[in-house]
Parts: sequence; structure tokens; C-alpha cells
Amino acid sequence: KQEVTQIPAALSVPEGENLVLNCSFTDSAIYNLQWFRQDPGKGLTSLLLIQSSQREQTSGRLNASLDKSSGRSTLYIAASQPGDSATYLCAVRTGGTSYGKLTFGQGTILTVHP
Amino acid sequence: DAMVIQNPRYQVTQFGKPVTLSCSQTLNHNVMYWYQQKSSQAPKLLFHYYDKDFNNEADTPDNFQSRRPNTSFCFLDIRSPGLGDAAMYLCATSRTGGSNEQFFGPGTRLTVL
Repeated sequence: KQEVTQIPAALSVPEGENLVLNCSFTDSAIYNLQWFRQDPGKGLTSLLLIQSSQREQTSGRLNASLDKSSGRSTLYIAASQPGDSATYLCAVRTGGTSYGKLTFGQGTILTVHP
Repeated sequence: DAMVIQNPRYQVTQFGKPVTLSCSQTLNHNVMYWYQQKSSQAPKLLFHYYDKDFNNEADTPDNFQSRRPNTSFCFLDIRSPGLGDAAMYLCATSRTGGSNEQFFGPGTRLTVL
């Protein structure tokens, strides 16, 4: 059974810092990995999706890497801002169907203070 | 803009009183998912539809049912809500082929009194 772990559970940084969020998964037979952002009481916003054949994806100040063989992904946030404060979730897609299912980690609660 | 819409955003029901949550999408995706997310926990998949085919997760309680009358709409029915069913309910969609990226709605926060 796939298990996804995110470290740290919570992170507090001053504005402007670069930071790294970690995600690990137990079964390397994944199709892709998604990083999401969730604001308090809200739904999930997709940030980046990395296919299993890719090593990294970038969107603005966000960079996600994937090391499928070791079961790890990182989300790098450059020059953090207070508006980045949210919970960040990673999820891996597994399954033998043409669309699969997502297994989520517990998330990292990020606080960026001015 | 194409999107996933959930109604209502907040739902209050009484213990044991049936409740229905609604999800609609303009993305024309053929797969729709329902997740339950309790406070400070990861979203947990309840079931999904692939077109009209319903797929239940093994550990989803019988109290939870779903309907998909057409491609655009999907409903989550909770037949007899208990206090433990209070949670955020998230609807998501994806399409087969391509990246299979899942797109989520804003969620419905369910309170059970």
C-alpha cells in the first residue's frame, strides 16, 4: 500500500527566505506526482505536476523535483512571501487504470512572516 | 473559466438527517472523485466515477453514496450523518489520457449537530 510522508509538518520562516518542502513515498511505481496548495477552509489548488519520466518542473518561484527511484520529491520556493502561507500537500498517482488515484501526504503548514 | 464548482460551500445538518452535496464541472472531464478531509488530515478518497461506472473504495462506509446523472454533475449523499462525518468534502475531476492532472473544487464544509 502506498504511503506518502511530508517533512516538516510545519515550517515558519521570515519573508524572503528560500525554502524546501519534502515529500517521500514508499512505492516507486508512480505515474506522476502533484503538489497542491490549500488555504485554510478552502479547496486544493494544483501547483505543479511532474510525470514519472521527468526530473523537475518549474512555475514562477516554485520548482519541484522528483527522484522516483528513491521515492522522494522536493518543492523549492524561492524568495518566500507572506502570501505563500498555506498548507502544501503532495500526492502521488498510482493505479493501473488510464487515470489512476491520488494518495496524499499529511501536508506541510507553511507560515511566512513579514 | 472552466472550473469545478461545489454547492453549498457550508452545510449544517443534524445527526441522522440525510444530506446531499453537489459538484459540477465545466471541464468536460470523464472522471469525477469525492474526497473526505478531516481537520489536519490528508484528503481520503471515498469513491469515483469513470464516465458512468461507479468505483467505491473498500473502506468507504455504506452511509456514503453517490450519483452521477450526467457528465457535468456528481452528488454525494450521506444517508445518516454522524458526528464523525463532519469534514471538508472535496470534489475533483480529471480526464483519461494526457497528464491525468486532478482539478479540485473549493470544497463543502459539513457540520453535524
